[in-house]
Amino acid sequence: SQQGEEDPQALSIQEGENATMNCSYKTSINNLQWYRQNSGRGLVHLILIRSNEREKHSGRLRVTLDTSKKSSSLLITASRAADTASYFCATDLTGGGNKLTFGTGTQLKVEL
Amino acid sequence: SAVISQKPSRDICQRGTSLTIQCQVDSQVTMMFWYRQQPGQSLTLIATANQGSEATYESGFVIDKFPISRPNLTFSTLTVSNMSPEDSSIYLCSAGTGYNEQFFGPGTRLTVL
Repeated sequence: SQQGEEDPQALSIQEGENATMNCSYKTSINNLQWYRQNSGRGLVHLILIRSNEREKHSGRLRVTLDTSKKSSSLLITASRAADTASYFCATDLTGGGNKLTFGTGTQLKVEL
Repeated sequence: SAVISQKPSRDICQRGTSLTIQCQVDSQVTMMFWYRQQPGQSLTLIATANQGSEATYESGFVIDKFPISRPNLTFSTLTVSNMSPEDSSIYLCSAGTGYNEQFFGPGTRLTVL
């Protein structure tokens, strides 16, 4: 079964608004990675956060990790129409040999 | 980071045939993986491609159906054998860097008729 559950499954916002996506997982992790996928194409790596980190930033992206709650969130600030895509979290499980287990994904639509 | 290319980018195949997908990384990497993404779904790991030894398959995937080769640290192939319409998916390879980040290729969109 998949490790991660993401919510919401779908999110529709206006350009300029912030978008927040949440990811929950079940077991101990080495790190958690967020990806973007446009229209069934390849995955673009957004950010990696390690289990001993609580927050990371990259441009308009902010990722938090709460290992006690086994959850992570991805915040996209000042969204643009080009941010329209599916977003996935993926966990690198402790002792898992760097294999990634993907969440169910959030479909983000940013409207003009 | 690692730049990954895949060939072919898409294909339409007849049932009962086989397709080999190639994955090339622009630098030597320790870890390479193959994933499947069925229509409208998330990604599922098929196997870890081990250099110089047999691939390690996840539950539900077998070598006879998805044989994998990894002759060196920059290249791997995945074959989808004896295809059926249920094999219609996007197949993606990934490579792991020394910093544990995984980068993905653009994917191969397979349609089986």
